[in-house]
Amino acid sequence: QSALTQPASVSGSPGQSITIPCTGISSDAGRYNYVSWYQQHPGEAPKLLIYGVSDRPPGVSHRFSASTSATTASLTISDLQAEDEADYYCSSYIDGGRLFGGGTKVTVI
Amino acid sequence: QVQLVQSGAEVRNPGASVKLSCQASGFTFTSYYFHWVRQAPGQALEWMGIINPWGDSITYAPKFQGRVTITRDRSTNTVYMELRGLKSADTAIYYCARAWGAGSELDFWGQGTLVTVSS
Repeated sequence: QSALTQPASVSGSPGQSITIPCTGISSDAGRYNYVSWYQQHPGEAPKLLIYGVSDRPPGVSHRFSASTSATTASLTISDLQAEDEADYYCSSYIDGGRLFGGGTKVTVI
Repeated sequence: QVQLVQSGAEVRNPGASVKLSCQASGFTFTSYYFHWVRQAPGQALEWMGIINPWGDSITYAPKFQGRVTITRDRSTNTVYMELRGLKSADTAIYYCARAWGAGSELDFWGQGTLVTVSS
């Protein structure tokens, strides 16, 4: 069965940039912009962060950006802030359903 | 404003069933698909299934096929998810989320419902 793979954790200092890769994206998902990213703070529901591969919903900081190349999607957080400490999940549409990555815990050190 | 209000926490014995609800408001209910996604303690998000705006097309994750039923009621703007044959591994927070298309992003999520399966 298909799977989306993310690193378990990524850390960075305030002001730095970090990138979270998500491998296993299908060619259809990338071509039709069916890749999205979600942010989840402890004890809260997930929140849409990026959709259509690289678009941000209203209210999401421009410090968050994303891209897709071949079978890998990537989320970049620029100018890392304390409030960015959270879990991040990639997701794609596949075969009429949806896949989520295993999640990446971002720690601001 | 957009709201997805989920039903309260549930405790069930192994082998029992649970039916959760997700009531929508602040948008046109019949224009959206709805997903159910669960998250076991300390674990990743796990997709369970999706129902289309008309309620006549439902796709379930293979892992849950035969054990889950997703329905919707446009008279009350509510989506339901029933899970049968509960096991301790089904202890999780269950979320509903809306999407404008079958392949599109989950743009708004409910607050989640904790289901605890324990004897």
